[in-house]
Amino acid sequence: EPEVTQTPSHQVTQMGQEVILRCVPISNHLYFYWYRQILGQKVEFLVSFYNNEISEKSEIFDDQFSVERPDGSNFTLKIRSTKLEDSAMYFCASSEASGRYGYTFGSGTRLTVV
Amino acid sequence: RKEVEQDPGPFNVPEGATVAFNCTYSNSASQSFFWYRQDCRKEPKLLMSVYSSGNEDGRFTAQLNRASQYISLLIRDSKLSDSATYLCVGPYSSASKIIFGSGTRLSIRP
Repeated sequence: EPEVTQTPSHQVTQMGQEVILRCVPISNHLYFYWYRQILGQKVEFLVSFYNNEISEKSEIFDDQFSVERPDGSNFTLKIRSTKLEDSAMYFCASSEASGRYGYTFGSGTRLTVV
Repeated sequence: RKEVEQDPGPFNVPEGATVAFNCTYSNSASQSFFWYRQDCRKEPKLLMSVYSSGNEDGRFTAQLNRASQYISLLIRDSKLSDSATYLCVGPYSSASKIIFGSGTRLSIRP
């Protein structure tokens, strides 16, 4: 069964450092998403991406965040200057047709900012 | 009003019991809904899609009530492996994102 792959599975970084979280969506999917989940809290939408541009973003997705599809397979989330409150599980997802048939999520990257 | 609201539980039921969860939504233009399952510290996994006519898959039944703006999930003959958090999901009408409810925790005891 096709899957969304995320690397690394766990990243520890110092406050103020830049991090890049990587995702390889399912190959024939056209819509890509990032979500995050702070420990014990709900899964929160960050950003959606289609046709090489952001479709929609949440209030969480401020100027510290950016996304990129640098080649035909990778989809990345960059946090420029990490804060303690950025510590969370970050999930990448992809879908065939803007979510109508549900999204497939990767297993996540646990980001710990110290 | 929150976009998607769920009873957080926890629901603690014996193996073999039938359990039901509800989820209310605020965007009447929403076209499709989903139930996801999330195990502890894992990613959400699609359990069922919920369309206008509802959906049944083995022991799981999902229903949509547009008039009252809620969806439900019924689990019959519950198994220990059903223990998880169940996330209600609904998209905006623009369908460029899906919004998760806060989840309902289910614990099945032997």
